[in-house]
Amino acid sequence: DAGVTQSPTHLIKTRGQQVTLRCSPISGHKSVSWYQQVLGQGPQFIFQYYEKEERGRGNFPDRFSARQFPNYSSELNVNALLLGDSALYLCASSPNLVGHGNTIYFGEGSWLTVV
Amino acid sequence: QKEVEQDPGPLSVPEGAIVSLNCTYSNSAFQYFMWYRQYSRKGPELLMYTYSSGNKEDGRFTAQVDKSSKYISLFIRDSQPSDSATYLCAIFTGGGNKLTFGTGTQLKVEL
Repeated sequence: DAGVTQSPTHLIKTRGQQVTLRCSPISGHKSVSWYQQVLGQGPQFIFQYYEKEERGRGNFPDRFSARQFPNYSSELNVNALLLGDSALYLCASSPNLVGHGNTIYFGEGSWLTVV
Repeated sequence: QKEVEQDPGPLSVPEGAIVSLNCTYSNSAFQYFMWYRQYSRKGPELLMYTYSSGNKEDGRFTAQVDKSSKYISLFIRDSQPSDSATYLCAIFTGGGNKLTFGTGTQLKVEL
């Protein structure tokens, strides 16, 4: 069975540009979460989506947005990129809402470098 | 004070040693406790998941939770060089539907 798939795996953007990252959850999983991991730190929660609705938001500026599609895949968008947005962006998949007895599986991530 | 505290290491042990990795947390509302292993430049891999105080064993791995002390541990028996990675503790609380991670402990198991 395919795990959580993310694309692209690596990308380089210039300050001020916009980026879109994509995620396909494990088959049958309805919840997708996004995390940002800066080098040397643990992942930081950005968003959770369940059944196409936002169910949680972390402490990130409005430049960050996301959505979930009817097939449960998801996109994370970041506008007006800053150097500090350089990080590994992780997508996580769970059968239902995070917690509530559900385990959470991560993809390999998208490495974003802002120059 | 961070919600989840974890010693970043690095921790270096000889092959075959018992490894103890620990996290403390501050919010008594935390409900579920997970340990992830992350190899360099890869995504986190779920190792253990538990929600109650006590021990849970899976092969060479044992997860321990002490809710009264707000302390969680992961023990690795008979450590192998392939266990060299960063180990992340992650804790879930219902509010916000999110996992809160520690900073990760970098482990190196040497031959």
